[in-house]
Amino acid sequence: GESVGLHLPTLSVQEGDNSIINCAYSNSASDYFIWYKQESGKGPQFIIDIRSNMDKRQGQRVTVLLNKTVKHLSLQIAATQPGDSAVYFCAETPYNNNDMRFGAGTRLTVKP
Amino acid sequence: KAGVTQTPRYLIKTRGQQVTLSCSPISGHRSVSWYQQTPGQGLQFLFEYFSETQRNKGNFPGRFSGRQFSNSRSEMNVSTLELGDSALYLCASSPIPDRSSTEAFFGQGTRLTVV
Repeated sequence: GESVGLHLPTLSVQEGDNSIINCAYSNSASDYFIWYKQESGKGPQFIIDIRSNMDKRQGQRVTVLLNKTVKHLSLQIAATQPGDSAVYFCAETPYNNNDMRFGAGTRLTVKP
Repeated sequence: KAGVTQTPRYLIKTRGQQVTLSCSPISGHRSVSWYQQTPGQGLQFLFEYFSETQRNKGNFPGRFSGRQFSNSRSEMNVSTLELGDSALYLCASSPIPDRSSTEAFFGQGTRLTVV
């Protein structure tokens, strides 16, 4: 996912619903994929990661799915809460360095 | 355990000036990476330092430079500031420069405005 300019893709969900945020990545050599959450006025915060030798990984209320065939990554948030409202970024990197390439981000808004 | 600390939080500079931003990583972390975040270009990698050496560099002009000290604290410098350098500059620290163990932790960033 490359930057698409000033307007981020947005996702609006009702509190309690499940959210799915998608990301397309470009580098087939990337070995490590990460999801970050960024709230207003704060730096990105790690949510969950997945290595390229996996296709699914679960955390607390979050699941990341990786489809290497179509270079697609998704983040599923179960029972979305107002505190989940933020911009979510996917990032890709080779395994052995910290040079992360970020997607444009998706703004998630949770309606009470 | 204290998080990543970036100073200053906000900065206003004039075109043509230079600026130095500081990042103190989490205690024990030895890898520091810098990112620029703008509405137009999103989050872009600037460079990474480990053991006082630049390990990786993104696609930014030579006006952007950095260094790391023996205590792992890092600074980045931007010379001859341009209006387009206005951005949130983020620093991330990791224990070691690979993904074998853990994720990168970001600071709150320094908001630079060039006028």
